[in-house]
Amino acid sequence: QQQVKQSPQSLIVQKGGISIINCAYENTAFDYFPWYQQFPGKGPALLIAIRPDVSEKKEGRFTISFNKSAKQFSLHIMDSQPGDSATYFCAASMEGSARQLTFGSGTQLTVLP
Amino acid sequence: DAGITQSPRHKVTETGTPVTLRCHQTENHRYMYWYRQDPGHGLRLIHYSYGVKDTDKGEVSDGYSVSRSKTEDFLLTLESATSSQTSVYFCAISPGNDEQYFGPGTRLTVT
Repeated sequence: QQQVKQSPQSLIVQKGGISIINCAYENTAFDYFPWYQQFPGKGPALLIAIRPDVSEKKEGRFTISFNKSAKQFSLHIMDSQPGDSATYFCAASMEGSARQLTFGSGTQLTVLP
Repeated sequence: DAGITQSPRHKVTETGTPVTLRCHQTENHRYMYWYRQDPGHGLRLIHYSYGVKDTDKGEVSDGYSVSRSKTEDFLLTLESATSSQTSVYFCAISPGNDEQYFGPGTRLTVT
């Protein structure tokens, strides 16, 4: 049972453009929503995270938008750069069970120079 | 990779053989996790540990066992490897807040 659905599967953006990746969740008990960035051959790296008590969080060029009523959250990458080309995963966790993460299926982002 | 090492980094083994993957951390974090990564599935939790000798099952635990005899080491064992266990395995650690930090991964091929 996939509790976090991620789209699109792949995304191609021109340098300087905005990359947008979307995730939807089912379990309303989720209360922590991180995004991970993964380069080929490397482990996922925590990029940015949000809790449902805020609707937006920004760190540099990366912004999470959160819609609690729609049970959706998205990652926006402003001024996308070729170095941002990677696979991005959304995830969610809840209190208990050691805060285990439930991941989306991933989005492969390619930023063209 | 946040003070996490995984060994081996690559392994090829035959169906039916036992395999043990090791995760070692230098952060003294309480929580440790094993995930597998497969195309189209993201990362899925196999087992996790919330302390020495304290472990529990995750979403895809069938065919896997774990042990944690020291804070710094978390072992994942495939008792009898199958081709369906060909995957990339990631260890993660957490100090007990929400954040998890991942190791570099082990690519396992079962022939």
